[in-house]
Order: sequence, then C-alpha cells, then structure tokens
Amino acid sequence: GDSVTQMEGPVTLSEEAFLTINCTYTATGYPSLFWYVQYPGEGLQLLLKATKADDKGSNKGFEATYRKETTSFHLEKGSVQVSDSAVYFCALSEFTGNQFYFGTGTSLTVIP
Amino acid sequence: NAGVTQTPKFRILKIGQSMTLQCTQDMNHNYMYWYRQDPGMGLKLIYYSVGAGITDKGEVPNGYNVSRSTTEDFPLRLELAAPSQTSVYFCASSSPGQGAYEQYFGPGTRLTVT
Repeated sequence: GDSVTQMEGPVTLSEEAFLTINCTYTATGYPSLFWYVQYPGEGLQLLLKATKADDKGSNKGFEATYRKETTSFHLEKGSVQVSDSAVYFCALSEFTGNQFYFGTGTSLTVIP
Repeated sequence: NAGVTQTPKFRILKIGQSMTLQCTQDMNHNYMYWYRQDPGMGLKLIYYSVGAGITDKGEVPNGYNVSRSTTEDFPLRLELAAPSQTSVYFCASSSPGQGAYEQYFGPGTRLTVT
C-alpha cells in the first residue's frame, strides 16, 4: 500500500543554516505530494505541493521537487529563521483523493 | 471564509462518558476527514466521507462514530470514552475539483480522558 517515510527528528539548526528534511514515498499510482507545517498548538497548514514528476513546489523560501526516479520529495530551505520552528509533515494523495498518507513528522527548532 | 472550524477547543471527559466533536466547513468541499494525533506522533485517519450520506472507516475507527447529513458538517461521536482516546483531534476537508486534493485542516480539539 501507499506510505510516506520522512527523516526522524528532532532537528536543531542555527538561524541562517541550510535545511533539508528527507521524504520518500511508496505509491501504486501517480500521487500528488505535499508538505504541511504545524506550528505549536495549531492545526496543519499546507506549505507547498507538487502534482507530477519534476514539479517543484515552493512557498516562503521552502522548496521541494517531485522526483519519481528516486520516489522522493525532500524539503529544503536555504536560510532558516527562528519563526520556521515547527513540525513538518510530508504527505501524499492518490488521484482519488479518498485518503491522505502522512509521514510521522519532523520537529525543527531554529535557535538564534 | 472561515474555512474548517472545530468545537470545542478543549475538553476533559471522565471514563465512560460520551461526547460529540463538531466540525464544519464553508468551502463546499465534498470530502471530509477526522484524524487523531497522539503526542509526538503523526496523524492517524479515523473516518472519512466523500459526500453527504457516505462515510467510511479509516485506520483507527474503533470507539468512534460519524455521520454526514450535510455537505458542511461532519461530527465525530465518542461513545464510552477511554484513556486511550486522549489525543488531539483534527478535522479536514478537500475537494476533488481542485486536482491535487490538498486538505484544509481545522485548529483541532484537545481531548483528555481521565
């Protein structure tokens, strides 16, 4: 069945450091891929998405490229800020949209 | 647009009590979902619905019930609450017409069963 695997946390970085959070997936069809962010005490918010191979999703300085050949969708940011401290979830949805498959989340803390 | 709203924000239940978590969306989305998130964990799907009158079980449906009488509302019912149901509950919605089916989440209900 479908599944998402993302790197374990927690991750602690200094401000302005480079961020990579790895995400790989298993899917039977051609899924859409997502990154969600959850700030403390809040619900999940969509950060970015990609709907087909080689698409790059981007938002707020974050980027991720849909790599079909490596079944990956790694999240990157060139220079993190303290305000980026949150939990990040990778997710996929098959074309039917009936179900989402979430990774377990990666907690990021950025220190000044 | 208010998006997805959930009530209550917090609730403490005694073992064996029942309650209903309310979820409403004003985006005219056909699909709605209920998830639970245990501390330090990811999300687990409890139930979902692809339209009014249609519901289906997710990964962890035991101890819960849902109904979908309107497009807007998708309440989650807990019967005979147990400590294992202590969690944060998120409601979400999506629309097949949007192509990528991204889900929109409510702010969550934090439930403690003691």
